[in-house]
Amino acid sequence: AQKVTQAQTEISVVEKEDVTLDCVYETRDTTYYLFWYKQPPSGELVFLIRRNSFDEQNEISGRYSWNFQKSTSSFNFTITASQVVDSAVYFCALSESAGSEKLVFGKGTKLTVNP
Amino acid sequence: GAGVSQSPSNKVTEKGKDVELRCDPISGHTALYWYRQRLGQGLEFLIYFQGNSAPDKSGLPSDRFSAERTGESVSTLTIQRTQQEDSAVYLCARKTEHGANVLTFGAGSRLTVL
Repeated sequence: AQKVTQAQTEISVVEKEDVTLDCVYETRDTTYYLFWYKQPPSGELVFLIRRNSFDEQNEISGRYSWNFQKSTSSFNFTITASQVVDSAVYFCALSESAGSEKLVFGKGTKLTVNP
Repeated sequence: GAGVSQSPSNKVTEKGKDVELRCDPISGHTALYWYRQRLGQGLEFLIYFQGNSAPDKSGLPSDRFSAERTGESVSTLTIQRTQQEDSAVYLCARKTEHGANVLTFGAGSRLTVL
């Protein structure tokens, strides 16, 4: 069965600090996708990134970066120089590459960035 | 969310009543998903539609929950004899143009069972 664990329930930082959100996953599939979604206080989920299991290259997008390590089944997300607008709940998710392709979500990490 | 309309946005009902939640995705998307998000929790998969068929309904928590889809468009999630533990936000999603398996979600229907 697929499972996603986000051990950090809540994180609080001060603006401009760097913060890393952890995500560990379990799957028996050899091909799968990993995702991060952001849920701001407004409630609507925002897609951030998708990573294919074959592609272990790290990715950077502005202040966001993602570290995918297959050896440790982790897909961590780092926000550099955090801003108040980064305050949200962040979800890591995993999907199978066939069948329904449904997403299995972690419980989320609530990030609060204080001014 | 872009291309997924859900109604009602808020629903308060009494325990034991039936409720219907509606999802209306933009046309041209054969795959449609329902998820549930309880307060402070992650999203739980409920059911997946491919066209009007539901090949994966493994997430429906009990036989009080059912869903249908017609015309490869509108989907309705029905909860019969609601219980307090059914209180949650029910989210509908469709696949996007971002690539394989990327879902875009509606704003959700918040259900409160008193």
